Amino acid sequence: AIQMTQSPSSLSASVGDRVTITCRASQGLRNDLAWYQQKPGKAPKLLIFGASNLRTGVPLRFSGGGSGTDFTLTISSLQPEDFATYYCLQDYIFPPTFGQGTKVEIK
Amino acid sequence: QLQLQESGPGLVKPSETLSLTCSVSGASINSHDHSWGWFRQAPGKGLEWLGNISDSGSTSYNPSLNSRVTISLDTSKNQFSLKLTSVTAADAAVYYCARRWFEVPYSGFDPWGQGTLVTVSS
Repeated sequence: AIQMTQSPSSLSASVGDRVTITCRASQGLRNDLAWYQQKPGKAPKLLIFGASNLRTGVPLRFSGGGSGTDFTLTISSLQPEDFATYYCLQDYIFPPTFGQGTKVEIK
Repeated sequence: QLQLQESGPGLVKPSETLSLTCSVSGASINSHDHSWGWFRQAPGKGLEWLGNISDSGSTSYNPSLNSRVTISLDTSKNQFSLKLTSVTAADAAVYYCARRWFEVPYSGFDPWGQGTLVTVSS
């Protein structure tokens, strides 16, 4: 199975900060990568699909980039409601696999 | 508005079969533009994909589960189900169902159910 490695595993940031999370795949994925946000005790929520496409209703401060093996999720100006754990998911090569998650905490 | 809701026993004995149901409202599970998935998350751990089922009933499963998993549709009830046999403590987790949504050539899982906690204990 493809290994998805996210970095960092956790980070502390302040409201208003620009935050970037990286996801690296062990094989090329074209652009078939999605990002999910999960808050404690809640189900994941789809933010980005196809590496850079914002899901309807997701704030514009979220953006995705990259292709092949290296992908990024950027939050341009961190808001209080953005403190959560973020996961990447590749669905290009069977079986679908997640990164281990990046926890974004308040500094 | 599409909504999903998991249900099933919260406690399963070791070596027995875990059975969960996902009830779908706001869309038909055999609609041609939908397929459906199951996931789980062990306490304090990351997410794991378990399997998918298409609107026609075609399935794909995570090989790591060693053929213990079965996903099926019940169109009469607008539900789909997960069965996991021979459970052990390692199968204790919050189990989620989700719709697999397509915007060709890409897909994503959205929305998700709220999740249901399954404990494995005698």
